Amino acid sequence: DIQMTQSPSTLSASVGDRVTITCRASESISSWLAWYQQKPEKAPKLLIYKASSLEGGVPSRFSGSGSGTEFTLTISSLQPDDFATYYCQQYSSSSYTFGQGTKLEIK
Amino acid sequence: QVQLQESGPGLVKPSETLSLTCSVSGGSISGYYWSWIRQPPGKGLEWIGYTYYSGSTNYNPSLESRVSISVDTSKNQFSLKLSSVTAADTAVYYCARRRVGVVIFENWGQGTLVTVSS
Repeated sequence: DIQMTQSPSTLSASVGDRVTITCRASESISSWLAWYQQKPEKAPKLLIYKASSLEGGVPSRFSGSGSGTEFTLTISSLQPDDFATYYCQQYSSSSYTFGQGTKLEIK
Repeated sequence: QVQLQESGPGLVKPSETLSLTCSVSGGSISGYYWSWIRQPPGKGLEWIGYTYYSGSTNYNPSLESRVSISVDTSKNQFSLKLSSVTAADTAVYYCARRRVGVVIFENWGQGTLVTVSS
């Protein structure tokens, strides 16, 4: 199975900050990476696919980059609605594994 | 906008079979892939498997021996069965629509908590 490792596990930041979350794959997944946002007691929401393509309706302050084994999700200017847990997911191989999550907290 | 809703028992005894149904509204089940994903309390997400509307399936190798996903196009529903459950199968179970052509999950149900306990 391809293992997905996110860092940090928890990130404290303030409204207006620029934040970056990293996701590393245990082997190359090309650009087959998605990012999801999950709020407490809610289902995940698709934000980004193919590493850098923004899902329709997602604010442009969200962006993704990377290829191969290292990927990042950047939020350019944090808004109150962005405090949530973020997961990456690889869809290169048939276990379609998720990272363990990064919880974005208010500082 | 398609909506998904999980239903089924919230408590299952160890060694028994977990059974859940996902009802799809606001769109047809035909033409799409439909998935199950789970999340143990306080933990991350695990893909369980998916079915095409035609009935073809693909399962997570780690669960394949215990999982069955089926579809009923006449009811616009699909279902999950997980056999021989243990406490490790306690989780929120989500149904989701998989995007055509790639295994990403574009619409999700609200999730249902299933607890395995005697």
